[in-house]
Amino acid sequence: SAVISQKPSRDICQRGTSLTIQCQVDSQVTMMFWYRQQPGQSLTLIATANQGSEATYESGFVIDKFPISRPNLTFSTLTVSNMSPEDSSIYLCSVKGTLGDKNIQYFGAGTRLSVL
Amino acid sequence: AQSVTQPDIHITVSEGASLELRCNYSYGATPYLFWYVQSPGQGLQLLLKYFSGDTLVQGIKGFEAEFKRSQSSFNLRKPSVHWSDAAEYFCAVAARNNDMRFGAGTRLTVKP
Repeated sequence: SAVISQKPSRDICQRGTSLTIQCQVDSQVTMMFWYRQQPGQSLTLIATANQGSEATYESGFVIDKFPISRPNLTFSTLTVSNMSPEDSSIYLCSVKGTLGDKNIQYFGAGTRLSVL
Repeated sequence: AQSVTQPDIHITVSEGASLELRCNYSYGATPYLFWYVQSPGQGLQLLLKYFSGDTLVQGIKGFEAEFKRSQSSFNLRKPSVHWSDAAEYFCAVAARNNDMRFGAGTRLTVKP
């Protein structure tokens, strides 16, 4: 398995500002994912972040709004830019490809974001 | 592309009663199937998974699930529910190219 630490665990932000969410894994992983979970909803994949290449964004998500970094095999950041109240969600980091569990996806505890 | 349907948005069961949460998937080949649980204010925890082989899989916390190819289903079961099982349950399907899709989730309420 993998231990995933997300920071911050929650935040309240003002409209128009940006927030960077960090995801740290205790082992090297090949694939990292960022999901959004809007209130009362299921998970929606924002993008896949692979080390050494640009993140791959899903339909409806763009790099200018959700820039992602993946500087190494254990760390990634997601920035929510120019926030609006519609960005209030839980943002979850997920990893895949740990040693011995390459087909299993693990999740962090999430970052609960409220935008005023 | 693969998809997942969880027909029940909300289920209420009495503590000690049995539980079955439904999950139907759509995918052209045999997918990887998962059940995750999300307790209030928490992330997702993997309950169990199916990749191949025995169609009845055992997971943590006394849960099991059965893969039925003919029905495209992967229902989650537990013989006796505990109050601590109250949570949101997500079924997920992953294609071999790593693309995982989640169902809408089923919220479980446990009555004393």
